[in-house]
Amino acid sequence: GQQLNQSPQSMFIQEGEDVSMNCTSSSIFNTWLWYKQDPGEGPVLLIALYKAGELTSNGRLTAQFGITRKDSFLNISASIPSDVGIYFCAGQVKSSGDKLTFGTGTRLAVRP
Amino acid sequence: ETGVTQSPTHLIKTRGQQVTLRCSSQSGHNTVSWYQQALGQGPQFIFQYYREEENGRGNFPPRFSGLQFPNYSSELNVNALELDDSALYLCASSLGLGVYEQYFGPGTRLTVT
Repeated sequence: GQQLNQSPQSMFIQEGEDVSMNCTSSSIFNTWLWYKQDPGEGPVLLIALYKAGELTSNGRLTAQFGITRKDSFLNISASIPSDVGIYFCAGQVKSSGDKLTFGTGTRLAVRP
Repeated sequence: ETGVTQSPTHLIKTRGQQVTLRCSSQSGHNTVSWYQQALGQGPQFIFQYYREEENGRGNFPPRFSGLQFPNYSSELNVNALELDDSALYLCASSLGLGVYEQYFGPGTRLTVT
């Protein structure tokens, strides 16, 4: 099935660093969502975006709905150890109803 | 407010067998979606149920079927299990059609041997 492309695939963080990741698609999406998944658990919704250009924050997390509607970005400021996990973007396109198409994931790990 | 719950948490089945996975939606949510997540990948949409009717289906064969009950809980049934069906099966609920914020349960880890 189709998946959105996320980059980077993985990254190491040091406590206090800012983190950026993005998600791109060849299709236009109406809605972008960002989820975090910890090992052995289901994804947890972080942020939802509904309009092109929209910038939304949730604590230290900020996400943007790209102007082309084909991409989205997530930034984490001043990272802490509990930010470790896998971050997934998910998009919804009107022609596919409520189906969410997920990205390939960005894995955050603590720099040794 | 009760979140999405799924049962069982883990399951081991043999190729060719049938399996039923269960999901209780978050209170107040009448829409349930099922996803398959293979190791190292993002979730893949299987299908969605709204008020006991199927509302959209992904690229999964007919041996994947589902039900939604009047209390909005749901079941995912998989017949004639194949080795590739080994995955984490996730259930997500939402407030209704056109509401795209979906809230996930912890998943059921299915292993087919």
